[in-house]
Amino acid sequence: AQSVAQPEDQVNVAEGNPLTVKCTYSVSGNPYLFWYVQYPNRGLQFLLKYITGDNLVKGSYGFEAEFNKSQTSFHLKKPSALVSDSALYFCAVSRGGSYIPTFGRGTSLIVHP
Amino acid sequence: EAGVTQFPSHSVIEKGQTVTLRCDPISGHDNLYWYRRVMGKEIKFLLHFVKESKQDESGMPNNRFLAERTGGTYSTLKVQPAELEDSGVYFCASSQVSRGNEQFFGPGTRLTVL
Repeated sequence: AQSVAQPEDQVNVAEGNPLTVKCTYSVSGNPYLFWYVQYPNRGLQFLLKYITGDNLVKGSYGFEAEFNKSQTSFHLKKPSALVSDSALYFCAVSRGGSYIPTFGRGTSLIVHP
Repeated sequence: EAGVTQFPSHSVIEKGQTVTLRCDPISGHDNLYWYRRVMGKEIKFLLHFVKESKQDESGMPNNRFLAERTGGTYSTLKVQPAELEDSGVYFCASSQVSRGNEQFFGPGTRLTVL
């Protein structure tokens, strides 16, 4: 079985500071890893994915994530947070070849002005 | 292009009643998925259609849930009779293999069973 852990229910960061939203996963075989964001009253929006290749993946809105196989992690990062980044972030994993992901519980990111 | 749409956006019903949720995928997307998020918990997979066929319905909680996708276009998810534990946000997503199978999600339907 595959699983995702997002250890923080909420992350608070000041605007302009770097942000990290943590994610660790468990899956048999090679993982497909995803980050989605949900803004209030909106659907999930795809941010980025890791399938293969470079461990550092760049996505939408200046976000990036680093695949770390030894630590089974896929933390989401951004060098300089914006207030508009405040939203709910979901990490997800699927077994290689499958595009049906298992999601984490979500992390609420709050960026303070 | 228009995104995935879901109707209604909110539904409040009493235990024992029936509710039908609708999802309109992005035009041309063969794959359609239903997910559910119970408050504060993970988003869980319910089922996957390829065109009008159910490819994987391993996530459907029980036989009170019935999903259909007649004609391979829009899909409905019916809950009959609804129970308190069915409350949550139901998301629909669609994808197309030729576009990397990235899933595009709708805004969700928030279902509250009283």
